[in-house]
Amino acid sequence: AQTVTQSQPEMSVQEAETVTLSCTYDTSESDYYLFWYKQPPSRQMILVIRQEAYKQQNATENRFSVNFQKAAKSFSLKISDSQLGDAAMYFCAYRSATMEYGNKLVFGAGTILRVKS
Amino acid sequence: EPEVTQTPSHQVTQMGQEVILRCVPISNHLYFYWYRQILGQKVEFLVSFYNNEISEKSEIFDDQFSVERPDGSNFTLKIRSTKLEDSAMYFCASSETRSQETQYFGPGTRLLVL
Repeated sequence: AQTVTQSQPEMSVQEAETVTLSCTYDTSESDYYLFWYKQPPSRQMILVIRQEAYKQQNATENRFSVNFQKAAKSFSLKISDSQLGDAAMYFCAYRSATMEYGNKLVFGAGTILRVKS
Repeated sequence: EPEVTQTPSHQVTQMGQEVILRCVPISNHLYFYWYRQILGQKVEFLVSFYNNEISEKSEIFDDQFSVERPDGSNFTLKIRSTKLEDSAMYFCASSETRSQETQYFGPGTRLLVL
């Protein structure tokens, strides 16, 4: 079974600075998808960024980028120019690309990001 | 922009009562999901639904749970006899196809069982 590990329960960053959130995962598959979701205090799950495992190029979305290391099974999220609105719980998630394992998302435990002004 | 909606936003019920949580997925989406998040814990998969039948379910999704698409727009999760440990945030999600990897989440229903 696939597992996702987020080893940082909590992180802090100064406004306008850069922060990196870590995520590792365990799978025997070669094709899959990885995601970062943001959960602000309202508790809605908002997609931040996604990465296809077959793509070597790291995904970017404005101030958000990932460092995808397939061999190391690592998928970190970098937030540049941090803003107060970035404060939230961030979840890393994995989804298989094959029917054998279905299409459910497997989530990590989350990292609380605090942004200091 | 289309979005997944859920009702109610909050529900309080007595242990042993039945609850129905409602979701309206994005209109052209074909795959539907329920997840739950117990306070302070990770988000857990409950069930996926496609073509009017369950395509996958977790061990959490026991006989107390059922899902239904009663019409062309709603997708419901029923808990037949609620337990204290069912208190959680329940999220509905949908995706356009199975191969479309992104699941879009609703705002959640906070269920409290007393």
